Amino acid sequence: NAGVTQTPKFQVLKTGQSMTLQCAQDMNHEYMSWYRQDPGMGLRLIHYSVGAGITDQGEVPNGYNVSRSTTEDFPLRLLSAAPSQTSVYFCASSYSRDRAQADTQYFGPGTRLTVL
Amino acid sequence: AQRVTQPEKLLSVFKGAPVELKCNYSYSGSPELFWYVQYSRQRLQLLLRHISRESIKGFTADLNKGETSFHLKKPFAQEEDSAMYYCALRGYGQNFVFGPGTRLSVLP
Repeated sequence: NAGVTQTPKFQVLKTGQSMTLQCAQDMNHEYMSWYRQDPGMGLRLIHYSVGAGITDQGEVPNGYNVSRSTTEDFPLRLLSAAPSQTSVYFCASSYSRDRAQADTQYFGPGTRLTVL
Repeated sequence: AQRVTQPEKLLSVFKGAPVELKCNYSYSGSPELFWYVQYSRQRLQLLLRHISRESIKGFTADLNKGETSFHLKKPFAQEEDSAMYYCALRGYGQNFVFGPGTRLSVLP
């Protein structure tokens, strides 16, 4: 099991550029989510998905899009990068709430994004 | 509204000293509370959850509904405990709400 994988590990963008952060999991988890981690603010939820074809907004969704065409993949798209999106991005997955093992979220290693 | 606060950004203790990382929450129902830890250059991982009432790596945490707190405690800190600690809450939905985190530094 690779667990939760994220690519790339590091990325530098110029303002206005677009890009996609990749996230994949091989644990057959229904629930997947994207967080951003900023100093002093902890992890804030951007978007989440409770299964293939279902996505919803979290606390800070503006400027980001997601899709969930398969159970395994949950890419995060930055439409037009802004310096305020400089952050560390984490993907996480878990079983859905109605399953016994739903307590534990498994996190990816993170993507450090800098927008100039 | 769901909210988690961790009042200390940084907590420094000496090896062998007791440590307590504070966590308070606001939630109108009965939440599930968790502690996650991030060691240097590693990904976040679950440390413990209040439902299990377990002790992991010597850490314990008790949910106090009256004080809406879920403080993390360890009687004798070790240098390898140095890490970033996040308290998290999950309400009725699927999502977790994280606190801002406390960086624990255990000095030799």
